[in-house]
This record gives sequence, C-alpha cells and structure tokens, in this order.
Amino acid sequence: DIVMTQAPLSVSVTPGESASISCRSSKSLLHSNGITYVYWYLQKPGKSPQLLIYRMSNLASGVPDRFSGSGSETDFTLKISRVEAEDVGIYYCGQLLENPYTFGAGTKLELK
Amino acid sequence: QVQLKESGPGLVQPSQTLSLTCTVSGFSLTSYSVHWVRQHSGKSLEWMGRMWSDGDTSYNSAFTSRLSISRDTSKSQVFLKMNSLQTEDTGTYYCATTLFDYWGQGVMVTVSS
Repeated sequence: DIVMTQAPLSVSVTPGESASISCRSSKSLLHSNGITYVYWYLQKPGKSPQLLIYRMSNLASGVPDRFSGSGSETDFTLKISRVEAEDVGIYYCGQLLENPYTFGAGTKLELK
Repeated sequence: QVQLKESGPGLVQPSQTLSLTCTVSGFSLTSYSVHWVRQHSGKSLEWMGRMWSDGDTSYNSAFTSRLSISRDTSKSQVFLKMNSLQTEDTGTYYCATTLFDYWGQGVMVTVSS
C-alpha cells in the first residue's frame, strides 16, 4: 500500500498569516498520463471531509484561492495564505493513484 | 445539487453483519462511482471499497473477505454489507463520490453487545 506521511501533525497559526502542510508518498503518484494523483481535504470540526485540491494543484469548486497545492512526484505541499477562522480543522492528503486509496494521518490547524 | 446520505443501524452486535445504505441525488450512479470510507474516532480516513459507474466493484484487501458493495440504480442507492463485525469496526462510515469531492454526513456505527 502507498503510505502518505504528513507533517506537521499540528500547526498553530495567527489569523492573516500563512501555513504550509507537507505530505510525502512512499511511491511516485505521477501517472504515465502526466497527472499526479494527490488530493487534499479539510475536515472541519464535526463535519464530513471536503475536497480542497485535486490532482496536486487544481482548486476544487468553491474553494477560496487562498488555498494552493504544489509538489513533485512524491513530495507535496498545501499552502494556505491569509489563514481565517473558517480554515480550522484537520487537513488530509490522499492518493487516488492505486487501490487501496490511502490518506495521511492528518494535520490539525488551530488559530493562535 | 449532488447529495449523499448514509443510513443504517447505529448499534451492531459483535459477529453480526453491518448493512448500510447510501442514497444519492443530483447525479446518476451509472455516470459516477461511489466510495465507502471509514473513520475511527479521532483517526484518519480508511478507504473500504468502490462501486464503479459500470457496476464493477473494487475493495481494499484489508476488508475483501467480509465486505460486499452493491447497488440499485433505480433507487439511486449503494449498499455496504460487512460481516463478522468486531469492536474495532466501530466508527463513522461515509459514502463519497468519485474524487471524494462530495460526501455524505456519515453514519456512526458502534459494535457492542
């Protein structure tokens, strides 16, 4: 199985500042079709996860452009610019390259 | 708009079978696939299996021997059945669409006698 390793496990951010979350996969997520199958999700307290970024760098519909995704074949970053109170929750990276689809352990974002 | 809603028993006895239903609206099951995902309390997400749009299924090998996913397209429903439940199967079960872009609200399942 592909292991997704996130860092840090928690981050505390002052509103208005930026935050970055890293994710590393145990195998390249770059498909021969040129698509990198890494996704980012946010689970707000008491809610279901929601898609933020798909295929490494594409912003999901309705997601503020304060969120951005980047990376290589195995190392990925989610950046949140100008953090707001509504961004609090747990962020997960996930890979949809191969079965079984797997997710990182999550990074908890809190406000200072 | 796209909606998914899980339903099923909140309490299941050990060794029994869990049966859950995901009722969808706003899209056709013959056009998009539906996943089942489990989340233990305070833990990460665990992919269980998938009903593809063509009716085929894929399973996480961690569940293969006791998990079955099926559907009724006329009712826009996807079903999960998992047997031989143990306390470790306690958690919240979600259904989600193809890219995990839409999720249901989840159903909490407790395995206990």
